[in-house]
Amino acid sequence: NAGVTQTPKFQVLKTGQSMTLQCAQDMNHNSMYWYRQDPGMGLRLIYYSASEGTTDKGEVPNGYNVSRLNKREFSLRLESAAPSQTSVYFCASSPLERERSKAFFGQGTRLTVV
Amino acid sequence: QKEVEQDPGPLSVPEGAIVSLNCTYSNSAFQYFMWYRQYSRKGPELLMYTYSSGNKEDGRFTAQVDKSSKYISLFIRDSQPSDSATYLCAMTPPGHDYKLSFGAGTTVTVRA
Repeated sequence: NAGVTQTPKFQVLKTGQSMTLQCAQDMNHNSMYWYRQDPGMGLRLIYYSASEGTTDKGEVPNGYNVSRLNKREFSLRLESAAPSQTSVYFCASSPLERERSKAFFGQGTRLTVV
Repeated sequence: QKEVEQDPGPLSVPEGAIVSLNCTYSNSAFQYFMWYRQYSRKGPELLMYTYSSGNKEDGRFTAQVDKSSKYISLFIRDSQPSDSATYLCAMTPPGHDYKLSFGAGTTVTVRA
């Protein structure tokens, strides 16, 4: 059982480049999330998707876009990368309402913007 | 001021010691309280999940919630080197249980 799979695991971008982080889950979860983790800041929610076809902004959405492609997949796009977006990005998913706080996380994507 | 405050440590203890971790929070509406464990260069994994005030025990782990003091704790008994990790507290308000607010995490090292 793979759980939540993120690709790529590592990426270096130049300022202004774009890229898409991919995430897929095989647990048939309805809700999916993108977080970023920075030293001393904990995990901060970027975007959230309650179900296929719906997305909502989290705490730090500026500079990012998302697509909930289907129930399994939720992608995060950086249109014009900035050094401030250097971070570790985690995708997560969670089961039905009332258990959405029981999030399952992927292994993370370490992104460096130079 | 952050909604959730957590001492970042680091905390170093000898094997077999009791590890005590805690978080304070400012939002009295928080209702679900979690502890996640994160090994180096890995994603967080859910360790403990509690609802409202009280204690919950799972093996060597005990989670405590004191809503009146806005304070939660995690205790690890008989700590093992395999418990060396960063521990993150998280909490959510009712009706918005997808909005996890995380502490910054406490890094724990258990020395053999």
